Amino acid sequence: GAVVSQHPSWVICKSGTSVKIECRSLDFQATTMFWYRQFPKQSLMLMATSNEGSKATYEQGVEKDKFLINHASLTLSTLTVTSAHPEDSSFYICSAISGITTYEQYFGPGTRLTVT
Amino acid sequence: GIQVEQSPPDLILQEGANSTLRCNFSDSVNNLQWFHQNPWGQLINLFYIPSGTKQNGRLSATTVATERYSLLYISSSQTTDSGVYFCAVRGGKLIFGQGTELSVKP
Repeated sequence: GAVVSQHPSWVICKSGTSVKIECRSLDFQATTMFWYRQFPKQSLMLMATSNEGSKATYEQGVEKDKFLINHASLTLSTLTVTSAHPEDSSFYICSAISGITTYEQYFGPGTRLTVT
Repeated sequence: GIQVEQSPPDLILQEGANSTLRCNFSDSVNNLQWFHQNPWGQLINLFYIPSGTKQNGRLSATTVATERYSLLYISSSQTTDSGVYFCAVRGGKLIFGQGTELSVKP
């Protein structure tokens, strides 16, 4: 149990275009979902936290207008990178918790974004 | 905010060896998790261990919350254990350490 999926697993896009990444909790309802970014050989950096039906809470330094997060249901959150630039190239990982029986956090397999 | 420090940063082992990874944190936390990030980037949950000791096969973990540290033990290491091991603590949000990169040689 406690499986989180992400789609796509990798994407290449041109500078100036937008890219949407989906995150789904497959076998549990996620009260809270999180989006992380990871650069090579570095740790995970939290970008934002979202609760179903509410606006996301962004970490300091994360541009809300560039990284649009929507938590439309208890099993789906999306991250849209708008007007992507090469510096947005990174590994994006989503995570979710049930928050009902446990606060154990489960992670998706990640999406590798390359902006050319 | 809470600081999380992991040691050692890198570790090279011969297959079959044992190892201990350490995670120190600077403040009281609600919970602590250990993860293994495989070469493809997937984070695999190893332990959810706010306190006490747990075992799962060749892996075990101990968290001493009052002294603000946790240990991950890997026994009889295998090449498939290679990757990065992260501890993460929750003090409101999940905060990750910098990880220990483990390489197990055949």
